[in-house]
Amino acid sequence: GENVEQHPSTLSVQEGDSAVIKCTYSDSASNYFPWYKQELGKRPQLIIDIRSNVGEKKDQRIAVTLNKTAKHFSLHITETQPEDSAVYFCAASIGNNNDMRFGAGTRLTVKP
Amino acid sequence: GAGVSQSPRYKVAKRGQDVALRCDPISGHVSLFWYQQALGQGPEFLTYFQNEAQLDKSGLPSDRFFAERPEGSVSTLKIQRTQQEDSAVYLCASSLLGQMNTEAFFGQGTRLTVV
Repeated sequence: GENVEQHPSTLSVQEGDSAVIKCTYSDSASNYFPWYKQELGKRPQLIIDIRSNVGEKKDQRIAVTLNKTAKHFSLHITETQPEDSAVYFCAASIGNNNDMRFGAGTRLTVKP
Repeated sequence: GAGVSQSPRYKVAKRGQDVALRCDPISGHVSLFWYQQALGQGPEFLTYFQNEAQLDKSGLPSDRFFAERPEGSVSTLKIQRTQQEDSAVYLCASSLLGQMNTEAFFGQGTRLTVV
């Protein structure tokens, strides 16, 4: 089955700096790659997603890139703010049956 | 309802007790997922339904875990003879199913503590 690996497990940046989180996946049939943000004690919520037919997607300060050949995708957050502090999870969804697997998460801390 | 609803929010069970966790997905969502999330970890896949069909149960850790979705809507995750290692947050998520995969919406989770 699909295996998603995520790095780093923790990331600390200064406010205003950029943060990059990377994920790899194993199943070449995966075609949908969402990123979720989970604040302490709350449910994961989607922040951005990308499908396998595009290489990059941007939404304000957040961007995601996808390299299908290498089977990896990355989340980029620019001009980080303290409220960006949370745990971020990548996921990969397989084929047309919508089965989804998550990475282990990255705890991002943005220092003011 | 407006979102995915899970109940109870918190459950304390004595070791060996059976528990049942409920998930009400968003109306019309075909796909339903159960995940187990240990403290500080990512959601670990347990099982996946399309309507009432359980298409993948490869993540269920033992035969003490059982999930059903008999009418293709509400789902129940049952854990028999609970053990301390079952303590975790159990997350349910649902999504539409179409030609393109779509966002999964999560419930608040049920925090299970086995004592």
